[in-house]
Order: sequence, then C-alpha cells, then structure tokens
Amino acid sequence: NAGVTQTPKFQVLKTGQSMTLQCAQDMNHEYMSWYRQDPGMGLRLIHYSVGAGITDQGEVPNGYNVSRSTTEDFPLRLLSAAPSQTSVYFCATRGYQETQYFGPGTRLLVL
Amino acid sequence: GESVGLHLPTLSVQEGDNSIINCAYSNSASDYFIWYKQESGKGPQFIIDIRSNMDKRQGQRVTVLLNKTVKHLSLQIAATQPGDSAVYFCAENRGLRGSYIPTFGRGTSLIVHP
Repeated sequence: NAGVTQTPKFQVLKTGQSMTLQCAQDMNHEYMSWYRQDPGMGLRLIHYSVGAGITDQGEVPNGYNVSRSTTEDFPLRLLSAAPSQTSVYFCATRGYQETQYFGPGTRLLVL
Repeated sequence: GESVGLHLPTLSVQEGDNSIINCAYSNSASDYFIWYKQESGKGPQFIIDIRSNMDKRQGQRVTVLLNKTVKHLSLQIAATQPGDSAVYFCAENRGLRGSYIPTFGRGTSLIVHP
C-alpha cells in the first residue's frame, strides 16, 4: 500500500515549457486535491476533484489544468511555465473521513 | 476575507517542556479543524482534529483546544521531544462548495532544543 505517490520529485523547467505533475493513490479515495506551498506560507489550493470526471478550481488555479479520468490518478498540468510557479506542489487525497493524506511533494524550479 | 492564521511564526522550546501553538480562524461557520505536522522535505501529516461541537480533544501527548467564542484553536504538545521539531499548520474545513477541502494557515515552526 503506497498511499499517495507523486512524480517527479524534482523538476527544472524553462519559462514557457509545459509539463505534467503526476499524482496517484491506491486508497480508493474519492477526493483529491493539489496544493502549492511557497516559503513562509501555508498550502494554497490549486484544483480539486470530488470524483472521477469532476474537477473544480481552488484559490490559485490560473496557469494550471487538471483532469480526473480515473479514481487513482489526478495529474496537474502546467501549460506554459512561469517563474512565479516555482514552488513545492503537494497532492492530497481524502476518503469519507475528513482526514487528508498528502504525498511527498514535487519541487519545481522555473528559470 | 476569511482566513486561518497563526499568532507566532517560530516557537523555540527546551526538550521536555510543554509547547503551545496557537491559531486564529475567522469563519464562524467552520465546523471541523485539523492540525498537521510537516517535517522538512515531507508532506503534511495529520496530528489531531476536533469538531466544533467539542472544546477539547486529547491524543497521545497532544491536546487540541477550541474556543469558538474568540475563534481560537491551540495545539498543546506535552514533554516536547526533538522529533517534534517541524512546522505545524492548523486548517479549517469550510465546506468549500460542499467538498470540505481544508484551508491552511501559514504555519508555526517549532524548534526543540536538546
């Protein structure tokens, strides 16, 4: 049982490049979400999903897209990377209980 | 706007002391609160939670107190250990569009000196 996995762990991009951050879970949780964490700040919600085929925006959705074709996977796409998107990205899941489980994070540097 | 925040960005304690980390929230409609611990280089980890119909909940060496009158939440850690050094976040569930995705405060860094 791996819980929540995220790939890659580290990534360096040039401005304008696109990429997909992967998130997978094996707990059969309906709820999944993406957060970004910047120095000295808490986690800010980017997008979330309440089940396969359903996604919605969080606090800071601009510049990111998501899709949820399966219960297990919730990829986050950066369409055209900008230096302001340099951050640590966390994926989280939640079942019917309200506790969230977080992945280990992806550190992204945009040059 | 509505927010969850922490009073102190850094708290330094001696090993064996009790630690108290505070949190203020502004949404009186929030009905569920969670404390997370985040160690360096890792994702947040659930510590303890409390619902708004309670004012105190205890776990192993941790206690969460909720004062709805002043919209204040605290995390007490008994006999603090070096392994407790981390950033602690409080979060409130606001029922975001019915989905109960928690909103996080900025965090308090707890430093435990041996």
